[in-house]
Amino acid sequence: GQQLNQSPQSMFIQEGEDVSMNCTSSSIFNTWLWYKQDPGEGPVLLIALYKAGELTSNGRLTAQFGITRKDSFLNISASIPSDVGIYFCAGQLAEYGNKLVFGAGTILRVKS
Amino acid sequence: DGGITQSPKYLFRKEGQNVTLSCEQNLNHDAMYWYRQDPGQGLRLIYYSQIVNDFQKGDIAEGYSVSREKKESFPLTVTSAQKNPTAFYLCASGTSGQNEQFFGPGTRLTVL
Repeated sequence: GQQLNQSPQSMFIQEGEDVSMNCTSSSIFNTWLWYKQDPGEGPVLLIALYKAGELTSNGRLTAQFGITRKDSFLNISASIPSDVGIYFCAGQLAEYGNKLVFGAGTILRVKS
Repeated sequence: DGGITQSPKYLFRKEGQNVTLSCEQNLNHDAMYWYRQDPGQGLRLIYYSQIVNDFQKGDIAEGYSVSREKKESFPLTVTSAQKNPTAFYLCASGTSGQNEQFFGPGTRLTVL
């Protein structure tokens, strides 16, 4: 099946730090979605992107749809402890209809 | 209070038994999806349905079956033919023509 490469796999954050993660693919996507999942829960939609070059914010979160339509990134500014969790990107390919392809996730942990 | 419900939250079954996972939504969404999540991997699509009485196989349909008799409900049966059924199962729904999917809280299935 189609692959989305999400990086980093995991990262440690200190409160107040900015965080950045991205997803790349060799395929062209029509839509990029970013989700956050807390342990034992279902993913929650954070941001949806529909146009190449689109930059969208949701509070301290900012995501961009890459110009080539093959990548997207998510930034979290001034991180707080409740930002910990797993962040997933998901992309929709034209030939797949409404089906989504998911990245493997970025695990955010707090530095102790 | 609109949303997607999955029951039960935790399920234990003996090897060789079929088990059915429930998914209900009151969001009036046409499309519903079942995903499987394993540690360190992205979500993988099992089955999806765009309309009542119709459904299609996803990437890992072997050993699973579904039905879509009502718009609100999309139960998943994990059969004894599924070789490695222990996993976290997530149901999602969305509006046909829109790519955003909204997830339920998940069911953790453990086969003993």
